[in-house]
Amino acid sequence: DTEVTQTPKHLVMGMTNKKSLKCEQHMGHRAMYWYKQKAKKPPELMFVYSYEKLSINESVPSRFSPECPNSSLLNLHLHALQPEDSALYLCASSPPGREGGPNTEAFFGQGTRLTVV
Amino acid sequence: GDSVTQMEGPVTLSEEAFLTINCTYTATGYPSLFWYVQYPGEGLQLLLKATKADDKGSNKGFEATYRKETTSFHLEKGSVQVSDSAVYFCALIADKLIFGTGTRLQVFP
Repeated sequence: DTEVTQTPKHLVMGMTNKKSLKCEQHMGHRAMYWYKQKAKKPPELMFVYSYEKLSINESVPSRFSPECPNSSLLNLHLHALQPEDSALYLCASSPPGREGGPNTEAFFGQGTRLTVV
Repeated sequence: GDSVTQMEGPVTLSEEAFLTINCTYTATGYPSLFWYVQYPGEGLQLLLKATKADDKGSNKGFEATYRKETTSFHLEKGSVQVSDSAVYFCALIADKLIFGTGTRLQVFP
């Protein structure tokens, strides 16, 4: 199984809503990531979890709150988002490397396309 | 810091044409290098990789060779198909995955 599964595929939420994005992998990877991708841009790293602990936060606003309940699951809790937060949110996983980041390729999910209205 | 530079797109080709997408990198040491592909409306898929100098990664007719002397990892395919239309990202591993800006490939019949 080389899949990273993300749900939902699409999400529309209001600026006062609370929602969560979910990500699951069963490859035994101990590093998991959230990326944000705007149209026609490369993915931007948001968070890295290594062995279920947050190891990198790329100065992401607190309205985005990650959670790693176990080695297979990664959540991203969303609250009070702004329209400019609309983007494709990608989850990825890989074996962990030095400093909690990857030392080999990352496997990506299909993404959640988020629209904030 | 470490970085990846890709050629600007879009690259527009007719089916069966030869493809080259240029990628150069700046890095301390010798990082692993990757090409990812993103089809419309989808996530990123690993296309190929190379982990050391002179390694050639290949997959689905695409190839790229890790050139230490020119710090390059150009993507090539001998005969493109309409189904190859996508955005291609060159990337390297430092303390995190570092992506180039992406190159959109459009292949017409």
